[in-house]
Amino acid sequence: RKEVEQDPGPFNVPEGATVAFNCTYSNSASQSFFWYRQDCRKEPKLLMSVYSSGNEDGRFTAQLNRASQYISLLIRDSKLSDSATYLCVVSNDYKLSFGAGTTVTVRA
Amino acid sequence: NAGVTQTPKFQVLKTGQSMTLQCAQDMNHNSMYWYRQDPGMGLRLIYYSASEGTTDKGEVPNGYNVSRLNKREFSLRLESAAPSQTSVYFCASSRSDLTGELFFGEGSRLTVL
Repeated sequence: RKEVEQDPGPFNVPEGATVAFNCTYSNSASQSFFWYRQDCRKEPKLLMSVYSSGNEDGRFTAQLNRASQYISLLIRDSKLSDSATYLCVVSNDYKLSFGAGTTVTVRA
Repeated sequence: NAGVTQTPKFQVLKTGQSMTLQCAQDMNHNSMYWYRQDPGMGLRLIYYSASEGTTDKGEVPNGYNVSRLNKREFSLRLESAAPSQTSVYFCASSRSDLTGELFFGEGSRLTVL
């Protein structure tokens, strides 16, 4: 079983829509959680950390559900520029495990 | 702001050839990493260096060697390239290995024929 699993998508949404997707992790002892964004043929970049109480950064909301071992990312009012692959990252004993990514395509 | 710089960006090798991927960071970070990214798979850690003078194996170290030349530079060497090493390689750095915030280079696309 993979340590971090994501629905690869793609999620095709119109501009202005809300899109949400999850990531599941297998190790219940995982300590830290992150979302990275990767544009096509570019390097990953940190989008946001995920805190136990959930957190927002503008149009992006991240949630952590330890009981069910998943984290989620919600994007409100989608922009064309949000089109990217979103990587879920889980840290356990300072070892980072990356999901394969969820691709989001926002259409005009 | 250079950040993390990798060279070369593209390389084609024949099976059995050797090459070195170079990586340098100018952020005074302590920790550096080499990952590979393959379609349908998450980034996989090849080797990392928690601090200058130390290196450790990651998830997929076979067929690779690394050198932490100084605090800025961390190179990855393929001694005898194999087609299975065709991939996109990313170098990354972080302030320490206790943080999940990695800064990545632009990637090196390697094809082994």
